[in-house]
Amino acid sequence: KQEVTQIPAALSVPEGENLVLNCSFTDSAIYNLQWFRQDPGKGLTSLLLIQSSQREQTSGRLNASLDKSSGRSTLYIAASQPGDSATYLCAVRGETSGSRLTFGEGTQLTVNP
Amino acid sequence: DVKVTQSSRYLVKRTGEKVFLECVQDMDHENMFWYRQDPGLGLRLIYFSYDVKMKEKGDIPEGYSVSREKKERFSLILESASTNQTSMYLCASTFLDRGNYGYTFGSGTRLTVV
Repeated sequence: KQEVTQIPAALSVPEGENLVLNCSFTDSAIYNLQWFRQDPGKGLTSLLLIQSSQREQTSGRLNASLDKSSGRSTLYIAASQPGDSATYLCAVRGETSGSRLTFGEGTQLTVNP
Repeated sequence: DVKVTQSSRYLVKRTGEKVFLECVQDMDHENMFWYRQDPGLGLRLIYFSYDVKMKEKGDIPEGYSVSREKKERFSLILESASTNQTSMYLCASTFLDRGNYGYTFGSGTRLTVV
């Protein structure tokens, strides 16, 4: 059974810092990995989708990498801003799980002005 | 802009009421999902559907049912609401059998059962 772990569970940084969020998964047979952002009381917003054949994806100040063989992904946020404060979730779509996603528990990020 | 729309942001219902949560997507996605999200428990899959009139149980289907009469609409039904069903409910959709595509989520419905 696929398990997804996110480290750290919470992170507090000063504005302007570059930071890395980590996601690991136990079964490397995946179609893709998706990073989401969730603001308090809101739904999930997709940030980046990485296919299993890709190594990384970039969107603005965000860069996500994928090392499928080692079961790891990182989300890099450059020059963090207070508006980046949110919970970040990673989720994998496994080859044997149909269309179901397996989610990590999330990293709660606070960027202090 | 593609969307998954949940009909209500906030709902307050009484114990024993029948509750309908509606979700509509405009992306022609085959798959639709209902999750609930609770502090410390993460996202848990309640039901999903891969086609009209088709449904599959997720991890926590007890106390819930679903309806998918049209491709774009997926309804979650609480037959007799209970206080332990107070939660954030999230709808999502994606294409069937296309690993190139990710999920799109709605903005959520915060349900309180009193």
